[in-house]
Amino acid sequence: GAVVSQHPSRVICKSGTSVKIECRSLDFQATTMFWYRQFPKQSLMLMATSNEGSKATYEQGVEKDKFLINHASLTLSTLTVTSAHPEDSSFYICSAITGGYEQYFGPGTRLTVT
Amino acid sequence: AQSVTQLDSHVSVSEGTPVLLRCNYSSSYSPSLFWYVQHPNKGLQLLLKYTSAATLVKGINGFEAEFKKSETSFHLTKPSAHMSDAAEYFCVVSEGTSSASKIIFGSGTRLSIRP
Repeated sequence: GAVVSQHPSRVICKSGTSVKIECRSLDFQATTMFWYRQFPKQSLMLMATSNEGSKATYEQGVEKDKFLINHASLTLSTLTVTSAHPEDSSFYICSAITGGYEQYFGPGTRLTVT
Repeated sequence: AQSVTQLDSHVSVSEGTPVLLRCNYSSSYSPSLFWYVQHPNKGLQLLLKYTSAATLVKGINGFEAEFKKSETSFHLTKPSAHMSDAAEYFCVVSEGTSSASKIIFGSGTRLSIRP
């Protein structure tokens, strides 16, 4: 149980375009989801906390107009990278909470902006 | 504020020998602590967690960790390393007291296993 999926697993887009990444909790409802970014050989950096039915809470330094987060249902949160640039290339990981302290992580999405 | 420090960026051991990955934390609360493993280009898998129950926590794949409040440590150990243990390991502390609290990641320790 407690499976989180992400789609797509890999995406390549051209500079200036937007790309949407989906995070789904497959077998539980998640009122809270988190979005992380991971640069090569580095740790995970929390970008934002996504709460169902309300606006996301962004960490300091994360541009909310560039990284649009929508948590429209208890099983789906989306991250849209708008007007992507090569420096946005990264590994994006989401997680979801079932109600305990443990966050269940998705498999990640590798974004490459050319 | 909570923080977590992984003392070694890279640990290399021979197959069959013990593994020790070190983690120290600071927390204003009674913390919840976790160890996650990440294989290349994969998501994170929970190895074990401490949430104020027994101080010696047993996890999957033969790993365990001991919460030592006096030393503010939560080191990860395994008696005998296997080649499949080669991965990146993250020590994590929960920032608050609710289940929706943010978690803080350590910088990670890359574990290499020599044949």
